Amino acid sequence: GQNIDQPTEMTATEGAIVQINCTYQTSGFNGLFWYQQHAGEAPTFLSYNVLDGLEEKGRFSSFLSRSKGYSYLLLKELQMKDSASYLCAVKDSNYQLIWGAGTKLIIKP
Amino acid sequence: DGGITQSPKYLFRKEGQNVTLSCEQNLNHDAMYWYRQDPGQGLRLIYYSQIVNDFQKGDIAEGYSVSREKKESFPLTVTSAQKNPTAFYLCASSEQHSPYEQYFGPGTRLTVT
Repeated sequence: GQNIDQPTEMTATEGAIVQINCTYQTSGFNGLFWYQQHAGEAPTFLSYNVLDGLEEKGRFSSFLSRSKGYSYLLLKELQMKDSASYLCAVKDSNYQLIWGAGTKLIIKP
Repeated sequence: DGGITQSPKYLFRKEGQNVTLSCEQNLNHDAMYWYRQDPGQGLRLIYYSQIVNDFQKGDIAEGYSVSREKKESFPLTVTSAQKNPTAFYLCASSEQHSPYEQYFGPGTRLTVT
């Protein structure tokens, strides 16, 4: 079966750095996405990785290792507004998105 | 402004009634999707459509139906056959080329009692 694993919940301090991990086992791989979702709202796109390595976009970076079936999202200089769920999703061989359950990130002052 | 609209934001229905959730996009995207989101679970695909007048079942299509008569519109009907219809429903659309990023509507929270 296809599976994506993420921690259920993480807590971090305002101004700090947090890394959210995602491991996946899918039938084929055509890219990995990270989305942010505030409670009761729609997911919004954060990043896309299809090749190994680090993609940096402002305070957010995403890393991919295809051989390890592993990705992480790195958030720097955390702000209270970063409190949200972070969803990892992998596009499989049929170009369908397989979604993880999401990681709820709680930021404390 | 381009985007996806879903209405209403909150919907309440009695058990045994069919209900239709609307989804409209003006992004000129060919592909559209319906997901269901339940607490503690990832998004689950109900139906998707890659072109007008064609759609495919997703992982949890039982108890749902869709139509795609226009490129801009992809309504979802939750029928009385759906055993647990109370959920947050999200509509999305995407382009047909890499990276195939999906854009989401604001969602409809359906409560059936």
